[in-house]
Amino acid sequence: DIQMTQSPASLSASVGDTVTISCRASRSIGNYLNWFQQKPGKAPTLLIYVASTLIRGVPSRFSGSGSGTDFTLTINNLQPEDFATYFCQQSYSTPTFGVGTTVDIK
Amino acid sequence: VQLVESGGGLAPPGGSLRLSCAVFGFTLETFEMNWVRQASGKGLEWISHITPSGATVKYADSVRGRFTVSKDNAKNILSLEMNDLRVEDSAHYFCVRGSARDGYNLDYWGQGALVTVSS
Repeated sequence: DIQMTQSPASLSASVGDTVTISCRASRSIGNYLNWFQQKPGKAPTLLIYVASTLIRGVPSRFSGSGSGTDFTLTINNLQPEDFATYFCQQSYSTPTFGVGTTVDIK
Repeated sequence: VQLVESGGGLAPPGGSLRLSCAVFGFTLETFEMNWVRQASGKGLEWISHITPSGATVKYADSVRGRFTVSKDNAKNILSLEMNDLRVEDSAHYFCVRGSARDGYNLDYWGQGALVTVSS
């Protein structure tokens, strides 16, 4: 299995901040990397696929980058509705997920 | 697009449960489907995948030999038969669609069904 190492596990930020979440694959996965947002008591929702393509309707303050083994999710101008947990997932082979990053209010 | 799971509940260790997932807005004969679970307060674990025809299925090592995925394309219902349940199988189970471009690109999720394994 491909292991996904996601960091940090949690971070505190304020409205208007820029936050960056990293995800590293144990071997090259090309751009087969997806990002999800999950709010308490809800199912995850897909934000970004193939590393950098935003799902329709996802605000442009979200962006993804990277290829190979190293990937980044960036949220610019953090909004109140962005406080949530974010997961990366590789779809190069049978799916594996990062441990998640909880973004909470500072 | 909507996915609605049912069939969760409480089972003893060694017991069985069957989850169902009714899908709306698309057909199971067109899309690959997955099951993903999440223990309370924990991360996500992919556990199973099935192709549109149902001819090919895959399982995580943690459930292989105990869980069986199947589907009824005519009724648009995906199922997960869970046998020999263990305490560590306790989790929310999500029925998840694979996108048209990549069956492991998990684009639509159900609301989840809670499975609790306890004596």
